[in-house]
Amino acid sequence: ETGVTQTPRHLVMGMTNKKSLKCEQHLGHNAMYWYKQSAKKPLELMFVYNFKEQTENNSVPSRFSPECPNSSHLFLHLHTLQPEDSALYLCASSQQRERSSYEQYFGPGTRLTVT
Amino acid sequence: AQKITQTQPGMFVQEKEAVTLDCTYDTSDPSYGLFWYKQPSSGEMIFLIYQGSYDQQNATEGRYSLNFQKARKSANLVISASQLGDSAMYFCAMREGNNDMRFGAGTRLTVKP
Repeated sequence: ETGVTQTPRHLVMGMTNKKSLKCEQHLGHNAMYWYKQSAKKPLELMFVYNFKEQTENNSVPSRFSPECPNSSHLFLHLHTLQPEDSALYLCASSQQRERSSYEQYFGPGTRLTVT
Repeated sequence: AQKITQTQPGMFVQEKEAVTLDCTYDTSDPSYGLFWYKQPSSGEMIFLIYQGSYDQQNATEGRYSLNFQKARKSANLVISASQLGDSAMYFCAMREGNNDMRFGAGTRLTVKP
């Protein structure tokens, strides 16, 4: 596999469920990101991991819990979600974060619906 | 404050014609990068083109070119010879120094046959 992959592609869950989103990058990058894309809103950066260390958490509610076991894998654990959490969740990766020139490569996203 | 502004929610272009998608940005950091991404209905964000703040020439990648006007703080994307497959959402993004990338609200481009 190449690039950035995400599973599952679609997820429907109830508000009391616990589920996890998985992201894997095969590009040798050392930074990974979670974004949330809601209808009619700009992409919202949620979490950033640089060399497996979380370096940013943009005031994301605790019902979203990220995990980065190594530089190739990133998880987003979900529990007790709300209907307004329904969105497209995109994972991305990039080379070092220290230079503004490094573009991010995105996965296909997980379309999450909370019922 | 909004860092990236895309004022065109939707644009239409005839197949084989050129189209310009607007993007303005706001920063006081002298070192920044500007990016354009394409998002088809499948959802994946596809990187198209990059322009650095110190680059002297406008970036080009195939049919994509970036009209970089630093003094006006604009970084418009020009797509030449539009194809039906170009129909998608297009996002402008900026990264200031070591900070994370921020995205605009996007422009939906529809290419008419």
